[in-house]
Amino acid sequence: AQSVTQLDSHVSVSEGTPVLLRCNYSSSYSPSLFWYVQHPNKGLQLLLKYTSAATLVKGINGFEAEFKKSETSFHLTKPSAHMSDAAEYFCVVSDTGRRALTFGSGTRLQVQP
Amino acid sequence: DTAVSQTPKYLVTQMGNDKSIKCEQNLGHDTMYWYKQDSKKFLKIMFSYNNKELIINETVPNRFSPKSPDKAHLNLHINSLELGDSAVYFCASSQNTISGANVLTFGAGSRLTVL
Repeated sequence: AQSVTQLDSHVSVSEGTPVLLRCNYSSSYSPSLFWYVQHPNKGLQLLLKYTSAATLVKGINGFEAEFKKSETSFHLTKPSAHMSDAAEYFCVVSDTGRRALTFGSGTRLQVQP
Repeated sequence: DTAVSQTPKYLVTQMGNDKSIKCEQNLGHDTMYWYKQDSKKFLKIMFSYNNKELIINETVPNRFSPKSPDKAHLNLHINSLELGDSAVYFCASSQNTISGANVLTFGAGSRLTVL
């Protein structure tokens, strides 16, 4: 069985400061991991994905995430937040061979001016 | 534009009615999905079709019936709507891979409100 836990339901940062959104996963097999972003009243957009290649994954808009098997974590980071980063972020896990993704409960990122 | 498009974007209806949401993708993907997002933003898979064949059918009331006339379309019909059906329904598609690294492309969502 696979599951994903996003440790913070809400994160607030100031513009220009670093962003850290935390995610822990559970998977029976070698997982694929993703971060998706959802802006208000929009669909979900892929930020980045990990598929057993490099453990540090770079995504769009300056985001990156590091896969740490020993900690079963896949935290999302960005060195400097921008106002346009304010959105809901979802950590997602997919077991090898399983076509359905399991979504975390989401983290709302608020960026203060 | 290459995309996943779903209609209608907003749907307000009375309890007991029957309604449909349509989804089309022009990405050439083999697999399509319906996800339900509740008021707390939690996303849950409902159905998945691969090349018109149902492959995932989670625990969903049988009032919900997906239909895939071809691999580019996956429609969702809901009978006897209930208040708890109010949610945002997302259609998505992906390439048919067995690696598990299925990147989903989502539609913009259809917000269903049942009064």
